[in-house]
Amino acid sequence: EAGVVQSPRYKIIEKKQPVAFWCNPISGHNTLYWYRQNLGQGPELLIRYENEEAVDDSQLPKDRFSAERLKGVDSTLKIQPAELGDSAVYLCASSLEMRETQYFGPGTRLLVL
Amino acid sequence: GQQLNQSPQSMFIQEGEDVSMNCTSSSIFNTWLWYKQEPGEGPVLLIALYKAGELTSNGRLTAQFGITRKDSFLNISASIPSDVGIYFCAGQKETSGSRLTFGEGTQLTVNP
Repeated sequence: EAGVVQSPRYKIIEKKQPVAFWCNPISGHNTLYWYRQNLGQGPELLIRYENEEAVDDSQLPKDRFSAERLKGVDSTLKIQPAELGDSAVYLCASSLEMRETQYFGPGTRLLVL
Repeated sequence: GQQLNQSPQSMFIQEGEDVSMNCTSSSIFNTWLWYKQEPGEGPVLLIALYKAGELTSNGRLTAQFGITRKDSFLNISASIPSDVGIYFCAGQKETSGSRLTFGEGTQLTVNP
């Protein structure tokens, strides 16, 4: 069974540029999560989707970050405009239902110059 | 955001040695999880604990859910080189849905 797929794996951009990350969860998983992991830290939740509905986005910096999960399957996380402090690994995870085991993708490593 | 206090930050051990790491919090969690992350990959779940006092094993790994529900411990016995990686604890509360709060990780290096 395929795991969580993320692309791109690496991205280098200049500050003030937009960037987008894509995630395809494990087939059949209704819950999708986006986490940000700063260097030397554990992941921190940005947003959680139940199907196509964002049910926990309290940690998402809404002035520059946006996310969508059209049709309740794959998801896109966007940053516009990017700032130097956005350099991090952006991890996507999915679970069958809320509170079930979360399976993580390999992440997108973002470097903002 | 809130993070759990995980220690030690790093460990350098010889192959065959046992390893212990722990995670503490000022608040109660209803579920404790231990993940391992290798370079360039996302975290992978090792052990899940659902009940205070619970002791669970997965091969050479053993984890315990602290009786106060504010801490958890992970032990690795007879370490091998492929144990190298960053180990994260994570807690989950009933009141926060499925949100996980992670520790800062313990970097484990195993010398052959």
